[in-house]
Amino acid sequence: DQQVKQNSPSLSVQEGRISILNCDYTNSMFDYFLWYKKYPAEGPTFLISISSIKDKNEDGRFTVFLNKSAKHLSLHIVPSQPGDSAVYFCAAPFWAGGTSYGKLTFGQGTILTVHP
Amino acid sequence: NAGVTQTPKFQVLKTGQSMTLQCAQDMNHNSMYWYRQDPGMGLRLIYYSASEGTTDKGEVPNGYNVSRLNKREFSLRLESAAPSQTSVYFCASSVSRGNEQFFGPGTRLTVL
Repeated sequence: DQQVKQNSPSLSVQEGRISILNCDYTNSMFDYFLWYKKYPAEGPTFLISISSIKDKNEDGRFTVFLNKSAKHLSLHIVPSQPGDSAVYFCAAPFWAGGTSYGKLTFGQGTILTVHP
Repeated sequence: NAGVTQTPKFQVLKTGQSMTLQCAQDMNHNSMYWYRQDPGMGLRLIYYSASEGTTDKGEVPNGYNVSRLNKREFSLRLESAAPSQTSVYFCASSVSRGNEQFFGPGTRLTVL
């Protein structure tokens, strides 16, 4: 049962435009969300996070929005650059009736391609 | 400061062979994790170690064992490799629960 879902396997955007990556979740107990970025042949790297007490968190060109009623979060990249081309994963702490010990459950990932 | 390191980077095994994937972190993190990444599946947690001396199963633990050798090192062992274990394996660490995880570069394993 995938509790975090990214329903778009890929997204193609022109340089300078906005990229919007979406993520849906099913577990209303999730209180913290993270986005990771992954280049080929490298491990994922942390990009940005958001706590459930907020509905927006911004870091430079990256903004994450959280809609708790819809159980939906999105990552906006403005403006998009060719170097942003990577796989993006959303993740949430993996709760199982107690402490998570930092375990994460990941979405399937979205491949972003930014064309020059 | 190397962060999280993994060895080997690549490995090819025959069905039934065994091997150990090594992971070490130099960030003094308490928690360490092993994930596998398969196409269309995201990253799935195999085992984790909340602190030195403890290990617990994740989402997909079957066919694997782990050892938290000390605070720095967390190894993943395949006792009898199967083609279904062909994957990219990532080790990660974090300070404690809820904190961001730092990932190693991965080990690409092929089981023939």
